[in-house]
Amino acid sequence: AQSVAQPEDQVNVAEGNPLTVKCTYSVSGNPYLFWYVQYPNRGLQFLLKYITGDNLVKGSYGFEAEFNKSQTSFHLKKPSALVSDSALYFCAVRVGDSGYALNFGKGTSLLVTP
Amino acid sequence: DARVTQTPRHKVTEMGQEVTMRCQPILGHNTVFWYRQTMMQGLELLAYFRNRAPLDDSGMPKDRFSAEMPDATLATLKIQPSEPRDSAVYFCASGPLRAVANTEAFFGQGTRLTVV
Repeated sequence: AQSVAQPEDQVNVAEGNPLTVKCTYSVSGNPYLFWYVQYPNRGLQFLLKYITGDNLVKGSYGFEAEFNKSQTSFHLKKPSALVSDSALYFCAVRVGDSGYALNFGKGTSLLVTP
Repeated sequence: DARVTQTPRHKVTEMGQEVTMRCQPILGHNTVFWYRQTMMQGLELLAYFRNRAPLDDSGMPKDRFSAEMPDATLATLKIQPSEPRDSAVYFCASGPLRAVANTEAFFGQGTRLTVV
């Protein structure tokens, strides 16, 4: 089954520092990977996705993610964190071959302190 | 701007009562997903539809849950009878007509259900 794992429940980083939120995947076939962000009492917002091609994917709000096939990882990164980046981040992978529903990781809570 | 609309935003009900949650997908989107979010389980896929037909509802407890799309602008998720363990945030998401495997879905703000 297609799945992703987020090994960290919480990541703390100081404002201005680089941030990384980790995600590893387990898929058969081509991986279709996504990152979403959830702010308090809100729905999920799409950040970026990996299709094929460039291993470094750029997305919304200055976020990017690096696809690493040998390490089966798709870590989310940002060069300089903002306090407003504090939220819950979800990695996701497409389910199956016929549909395009997503399986989500457990989520990682990012706290950026001033 | 286009968005997925869910109603109600909050619902408190007594155990045993029927609960209906509604979702209006983005106009023109033909695929609708229902997810449930809890602290323990995270985000779980309950069901999804394409062109109003159910594609997969294997994640949904069949004895008490039902999902339908009466028309292209409305999806419903019903729980009857509700139980305290159903307390969660239920999200609807929709995807565009020409979606392919790497197309992202757009989420509503969710319905927070509390069953007491």
